[in-house]
Amino acid sequence: SQQGEEDPQALSIQEGENATMNCSYKTSINNLQWYRQNSGRGLVHLILIRSNEREKHSGRLRVTLDTSKKSSSLLITASRAADTASYFCATPLVSDYKLSFGAGTTVTVRA
Amino acid sequence: DAGVIQSPRHEVTEMGQEVTLRCKPISGHNSLFWYRQTMMRGLELLIYFNNNVPIDDSGMPEDRFSAKMPNASFSTLKIQPSEPRDSAVYFCASSSPGAGELFFGEGSRLTVL
Repeated sequence: SQQGEEDPQALSIQEGENATMNCSYKTSINNLQWYRQNSGRGLVHLILIRSNEREKHSGRLRVTLDTSKKSSSLLITASRAADTASYFCATPLVSDYKLSFGAGTTVTVRA
Repeated sequence: DAGVIQSPRHEVTEMGQEVTLRCKPISGHNSLFWYRQTMMRGLELLIYFNNNVPIDDSGMPEDRFSAKMPNASFSTLKIQPSEPRDSAVYFCASSSPGAGELFFGEGSRLTVL
């Protein structure tokens, strides 16, 4: 069963623009994670935000978490062609080891 | 570090054949996961090992699927007999003690004709 849902399903932006995607989840969580998957490749962990954190940065990535709304957002600033990928949020389901992944947001960055 | 290593990267087989997928986790990681990814169902957790012991296999779809982890550096996922609906990308992932993030392999793309 999927705990998280990303929105939008797909996003197309021009190089240099920012990309924002959202994730909503259903139950209380200890942490929320974002992953990137390039076409034909495995998932790569981007960032983990804990339930007591509201915002976290990593390079050009900014993640927010609103536990009252059960939602998170991932912002990619100054996008590059190499950011073209699918982005997934993942939340622990029942126990911390059992990550549930959303269906993902497919981001296309046009040169 | 070489990362999580999976083999084969691609496998095409005929219905009824046995398929064995292999995974070498990152050294020092004590948790290992097998996931399956399809367009229809997304990423599904099949089985989770901790310290080589299967902890949760509730995601294994049928008795045709089995997984083993004979030691800390090797795991297999076996499908016998395979069916066309098993066609998917199978990922192995590992994580270190106490850490939340998973490290994924590049996946094994299985096509069952």
